[in-house]
Amino acid sequence: DSGVTQTPKHLITATGQRVTLRCSPRSGDLSVYWYQQSLDQGLQFLIQYYNGEERAKGNILERFSAQQFPDLHSELNLSSLELGDSALYFCASSVDRPGGSGELFFGEGSRLTVL
Amino acid sequence: AQSVTQLGSHVSVSEGALVLLRCNYSSSVPPYLFWYVQYPNQGLQLLLKYTSAATLVKGINGFEAEFKKSETSFHLTKPSAHMSDAAEYFCAVTSNTGNQFYFGTGTSLTVIP
Repeated sequence: DSGVTQTPKHLITATGQRVTLRCSPRSGDLSVYWYQQSLDQGLQFLIQYYNGEERAKGNILERFSAQQFPDLHSELNLSSLELGDSALYFCASSVDRPGGSGELFFGEGSRLTVL
Repeated sequence: AQSVTQLGSHVSVSEGALVLLRCNYSSSVPPYLFWYVQYPNQGLQLLLKYTSAATLVKGINGFEAEFKKSETSFHLTKPSAHMSDAAEYFCAVTSNTGNQFYFGTGTSLTVIP
């Protein structure tokens, strides 16, 4: 158990719909990262938040957005869903401060299927 | 920005044989290097990490990796493969600030009985 919790584990929805994926980081971790994993694209970095603020942005579509709340949990919002958005979405957290161990701890992922 | 190259998207070894998974990073020395493993339908788990304390890093499940600055490599090895080692393996590096992570495209390891 990494200590990172993601919900829901599985989600099936239709094209054009909107979904929200939730992530609770490990206790004490200030950084949250979102990744998308699909068969053809591999593991793609989407976005990172640190203590409530966006820190880095990767290959995140404009239809996608994220935020990190004061209690440090994060949500990834996916809208106007397309078939190609079907993927496994991972959240990871890290300590990300001086003296921290530096590694990412991954949740078990949310598998999104768009029909 | 840092980058990571994993040579060989698929590697097959016989049970009991040496496992060698290759990883090369871009030229500037990153603060941290990692190997992660992903079993089917699971998240990524840390196998080992390099933090400049020692060039040979030992991880879980008998895996180890050696940091070679001259070759910009961080290859993962295990002397004797076990069936349970079948999984996807990812090499990753951090940015110079240590707060951004760059993953390789992964290597799928198959262990043949």
